[in-house]
Order: sequence, then structure tokens, then C-alpha cells
Amino acid sequence: AQSVTQPDIHITVSEGASLELRCNYSYGATPYLFWYVQSPGQGLQLLLKYFSGDTLVQGIKGFEAEFKRSQSSFNLRKPSVHWSDAAEYFCAVAFNAGNMLTFGGGTRLMVKP
Amino acid sequence: GAVVSQHPSWVICKSGTSVKIECRSLDFQATTMFWYRQFPKQSLMLMATSNEGSKATYEQGVEKDKFLINHASLTLSTLTVTSAHPEDSSFYICSAKTSGRRQTQYFGPGTRLLVL
Repeated sequence: AQSVTQPDIHITVSEGASLELRCNYSYGATPYLFWYVQSPGQGLQLLLKYFSGDTLVQGIKGFEAEFKRSQSSFNLRKPSVHWSDAAEYFCAVAFNAGNMLTFGGGTRLMVKP
Repeated sequence: GAVVSQHPSWVICKSGTSVKIECRSLDFQATTMFWYRQFPKQSLMLMATSNEGSKATYEQGVEKDKFLINHASLTLSTLTVTSAHPEDSSFYICSAKTSGRRQTQYFGPGTRLLVL
């Protein structure tokens, strides 16, 4: 069955430290991949997306993600975290041309001063 | 670009009443919009796919007579929660999908519904 897994439910990092949020998917082909961020009580904001081509994708707010086909992963990274990055992060995958999104369970990021 | 709005952002209603939530794509046309429900500290649950000019497609377990969806134009979809009950209290989020080859869903800010 097609699925998306975010192994880390919570992550806490110090401000200024680097960040990596993990996302793995299960699918027989290459899907379309997305990362969204949600602040409390808000909707989801698109950080970045991957459809094809260069496997390292740059997004907004200094985020990037790398698609690794061999590991079925699309991990989100940021070299230096800011306190305003504290939020819930969702990895989402579209497994077919109709682009229905399957969401991971989310990772809640907390940033220590 | 790619901005999606929702109205209202907050609604409190009495049990038994109906509530309508609007989802608008402000700067693009969307033949397909989606409605999600999100419980506290959980991921999004797809409720239905709203297609302009045709009937919505509901996910398994979602009552279509309870959650009425109308996608009357390329920029507007509405979700009506009919005869709302306290268990319908939740955070409802819509998204609108861009067209073309690299279709992407953009999300609205959400509507928090509290049924008393």
C-alpha cells in the first residue's frame, strides 16, 4: 500500500542549530513530493516541492529538501534554525497524476533559545 | 501568487444549525478543490474532492448528506455542515489545486468550527 512516514513526532533543536526532518514513502514509482508547514491555528504553507529533475530542491524561508530515490526519502533541511521556525511540518506525496495528496503524520518542531 | 482564502475563520453555532464555509482561490482558477478535516495534534484527513461543475467525490466514511459541497465556479467551493452536532467541531481546511503539468495544492488558512 502507498504510505508516507514521518518517523519523528517531535523534534527540539536549539536556535542556530541545523535541522533535518525525515520523510519516507512507500511507492513503486517516483511520486511528486511536497513539504508544508503549519503554524498553530493556521492553514498549511507550501515550503517546497519536487516533480522531477535536480534532486536537491530549494524552498522558501531557507529550507531545502533532497529526494533520494534509493532510500525513498525526501528529507527537509535547514542549516540554521530560527525561533520562528517552530511549527508543525508535514511531508505530502502525490502518488498519481490526479495529485491526491497523502500526508505524513507530521513532525512538531520546537526551537530552544 | 497562489493564494487561497477561507471564510469564516471562526464560527460558533448551536447544535442543529447549518454552517457554510467558503473556500476561494484568489489569483488562479481551480477546477479541483479539496476539503480536509484536522483533529488536534493530528494530520489532515481528506473529506472530499470538489470538482467544478460536477458532484463532489467523498472519502469513505464521510457522509455526503452531512457535508454538502458545492463548486459552482472555478474560484469558489463551499462546504456546508448540515444539522451540526458537537462532534462536528473541528478545524476544516480547504485547498485548491493548480492546473497544468506540475499541479500543486495550495491551502486556505482554515476554519475552526465549534458546535455548542
